Amino acid sequence: GAGVSQSPRYKVAKRGQDVALRCDPISGHVSLFWYQQALGQGPEFLTYFQNEAQLDKSGLPSDRFFAERPEGSVSTLKIQRTQQEDSAVYLCASSLLRAINTGELFFGEGSRLTVL
Amino acid sequence: AQTVTQSQPEMSVQEAETVTLSCTYDTSENNYYLFWYKQPPSRQMILVIRQEAYKQQNATENRFSVNFQKAAKSFSLKISDSQLGDTAMYFCAFPPPDSNYQLIWGAGTKLIIKP
Repeated sequence: GAGVSQSPRYKVAKRGQDVALRCDPISGHVSLFWYQQALGQGPEFLTYFQNEAQLDKSGLPSDRFFAERPEGSVSTLKIQRTQQEDSAVYLCASSLLRAINTGELFFGEGSRLTVL
Repeated sequence: AQTVTQSQPEMSVQEAETVTLSCTYDTSENNYYLFWYKQPPSRQMILVIRQEAYKQQNATENRFSVNFQKAAKSFSLKISDSQLGDTAMYFCAFPPPDSNYQLIWGAGTKLIIKP
């Protein structure tokens, strides 16, 4: 596709439910990131993939959060046994570069998760 | 520790006016990049402009320019002839020295352009 695509755009879950958020990055982009964004705040890093390898998952808040990118393209962020504090917008971003300290990140529109 | 501070939570200006958004940061590095990202209400974040710290010339992209003061660790964004489509959250970001894939983000400034 032309840009980074995320689905679903909106997800309402009951506390305790499992959710899966999908990210389809720009074709050929090596790097893929997941961020969590609370209302009125900047993005908080969750995890980073270089192709299919998850090189950093230090930002995942708990072991209820799991991300994968098995074929180096589409990625899924899974949250098990959702809690109210998981309510946020989850942003996916990709980059053509392995190192993004000089380059541009391309973001999706985000998935807004509301846990009741 | 590396930090980014955006001291203006919200700003509002009339269409066609010029507005400056402030950003200060803290780093011990000498060479680095700085970024301004824009997040419109639709939530897709896009890169507005980037500045290389070792370049003295301020970056410019059409109506967007930066005022980069390296010694003061200040990186403000100037928007000239503001348009309704400039209404968005604006985030300042820069990479920490110990990572080539992380970014440290400011809390953002909500900019409202009034007709």
